[in-house]
Amino acid sequence: DTEVTQTPKHLVMGMTNKKSLKCEQHMGHRAMYWYKQKAKKPPELMFVYSYEKLSINESVPSRFSPECPNSSLLNLHLHALQPEDSALYLCASSLSWTSPDTQYFGPGTRLTVL
Amino acid sequence: AQSVTQLGSHVSVSEGALVLLRCNYSSSVPPYLFWYVQYPNQGLQLLLKYTSAATLVKGINGFEAEFKKSETSFHLTKPSAHMSDAAEYFCAVGGGSTLGRLYFGRGTQLTVWP
Repeated sequence: DTEVTQTPKHLVMGMTNKKSLKCEQHMGHRAMYWYKQKAKKPPELMFVYSYEKLSINESVPSRFSPECPNSSLLNLHLHALQPEDSALYLCASSLSWTSPDTQYFGPGTRLTVL
Repeated sequence: AQSVTQLGSHVSVSEGALVLLRCNYSSSVPPYLFWYVQYPNQGLQLLLKYTSAATLVKGINGFEAEFKKSETSFHLTKPSAHMSDAAEYFCAVGGGSTLGRLYFGRGTQLTVWP
């Protein structure tokens, strides 16, 4: 099974709301990723977790707060977002962060910030 | 530093025609190369990958790609396009000191005409 699941599929939030995105994989992968993708653009790396520890933060604003509660789960907490944060948020996982393994992507959460 | 250039942001072919999507890479180390496909409002799905084994790589849905070191290319081909191939295609490169990070090209939108 090479499935990465993400919930919710769609999310609309105001600029003062707090919401969370959830990602789950059961492939035994030890690296998990958050990407942001704008329309007609490639995914942009936001965060990387390796063995449940944050390894990479690509200078993402603090209104985005990642969390990795265990090896199968990855959350992205959202607070005080801006309209320009509207995008498709993709979660991915791979066997390891230490080599360029295949990254398996979830279907994404389509976020709209009003 | 590693990078990918995808020549042609849009490619249009007739159903049954050859599909050729171009990808050139830049890497100071032996590269790992990937092609992903993204259908509208979905995540990225791996089509195929090159990891220094056979230079001709076969993937899913009848796609294949050939690694040519002398040309630093990894072009994606399919002998006969199908309407269902219409999607965005991303080439990505990884390897070396960048650990598991993948560098994506800007993408190529494939349109298939009946």
